[in-house]
Amino acid sequence: DAGITQSPRHKVTETGTPVTLRCHQTENHRYMYWYRQDPGHGLRLIHYSYGVKDTDKGEVSDGYSVSRSKTEDFLLTLESATSSQTSVYFCAISAGDHQPQHFGDGTRLSIL
Amino acid sequence: DAKTTQPPSMDCAEGRAANLPCNHSTISGNEYVYWYRQIHSQGPQYIIHGLKNNETNEMASLIITEDRKSSTLILPHATLRDTAVYYCIVRLTSGTYKYIFGTGTRLKVLA
Repeated sequence: DAGITQSPRHKVTETGTPVTLRCHQTENHRYMYWYRQDPGHGLRLIHYSYGVKDTDKGEVSDGYSVSRSKTEDFLLTLESATSSQTSVYFCAISAGDHQPQHFGDGTRLSIL
Repeated sequence: DAKTTQPPSMDCAEGRAANLPCNHSTISGNEYVYWYRQIHSQGPQYIIHGLKNNETNEMASLIITEDRKSSTLILPHATLRDTAVYYCIVRLTSGTYKYIFGTGTRLKVLA
């Protein structure tokens, strides 16, 4: 399995608080992605990165920001969490733009 | 990216081949077909992908029709551990980095 670690694995927090999720890879892959998964919606792309300091928006980017200061880490930040951001968040990596994406085990985030 | 259509659910007897269909009638010539599966609430697991030719690896076979408008994922000898949701995805070979996940097919392997 691809070396992807997501942290934390579970988090419960309150509305209005900032939250940062971390994705760490040991594969030295160029591309990294953040998805969220909700019942009835499948997986939806939030943001992705195609290199250090190179990021772009996905289909559901409102309320989220990302940073990638080094190859191995991709951070997802909710500046002011809302209940609608309660979800399971998955990080993925890929070696090339048509290479398969490999997913982490997910972070279950609950915002009360 | 082309849209895919999959049956919502299927059953398969343990030890038999599981054939999961996917329709992607609007696929263009430079779009790959990818298959993933998701077991319980784990992260999606890559299975196989292809462009035109049929592909086989240690997990499965991918059969793409000649007109590329549909494909079939074949698990040759299904086991109980193959019970999962299977996603068929198509995306451009380059220039875009995102998958469009549909709702997939829930495969249940029966003992």
